[in-house]
Amino acid sequence: DQQVKQNSPSLSVQEGRISILNCDYTNSMFDYFLWYKKYPAEGPTFLISISSIKDKNEDGRFTVFLNKSAKHLSLHIVPSQPGDSAVYFCAASGVRGSTLGRLYFGRGTQLTVWP
Amino acid sequence: KAGVTQTPRYLIKTRGQQVTLSCSPISGHRSVSWYQQTPGQGLQFLFEYFSETQRNKGNFPGRFSGRQFSNSRSEMNVSTLELGDSALYLCASSKDYSENIQYFGAGTRLSVL
Repeated sequence: DQQVKQNSPSLSVQEGRISILNCDYTNSMFDYFLWYKKYPAEGPTFLISISSIKDKNEDGRFTVFLNKSAKHLSLHIVPSQPGDSAVYFCAASGVRGSTLGRLYFGRGTQLTVWP
Repeated sequence: KAGVTQTPRYLIKTRGQQVTLSCSPISGHRSVSWYQQTPGQGLQFLFEYFSETQRNKGNFPGRFSGRQFSNSRSEMNVSTLELGDSALYLCASSKDYSENIQYFGAGTRLSVL
């Protein structure tokens, strides 16, 4: 049962434009959300996160938005650069029970930024 | 500051064998988690250790086991390997078990023939 879903397996964006990656979750016990970037033959690299008490978190070109009522979050990259081309994973964790200490991952979205 | 180190990077085994993978967390990190990544199932949580104790476990058969040492280094073991165990095994560390941000190693690519 996939509790974190990334419904777009791929996204192609022109350099300089905005990239928007989406993620949905189903478990109400999730209260912390993360985005990781992964290049081939490397482990996931932490990018940005957001707590459920916030609806937005910004770090340079990266902004994550959280809509708790819709159980939806998105990652915005502005402006997109060719070096951003990678697989992006959405992940979630909780503070209680089986959700503590573990990350639940989506299947990932392959972002391609072309010149 | 050194990141999470996993050894070996690549491993080839045959069905029925067992394998041990090693993980050294970031210095000062006391929690270690293991994940399996396959094309069919994505990234799946295996287990998490803190202070040498397994605190959380994913939905994997008992052939998958792990342990953590007093220096926070961790190993995972897979016994009686099956073809379906071929995967990228990722180790992640965090400061403690309540820390949400986990930092990943490069992984061990296991191929079972």
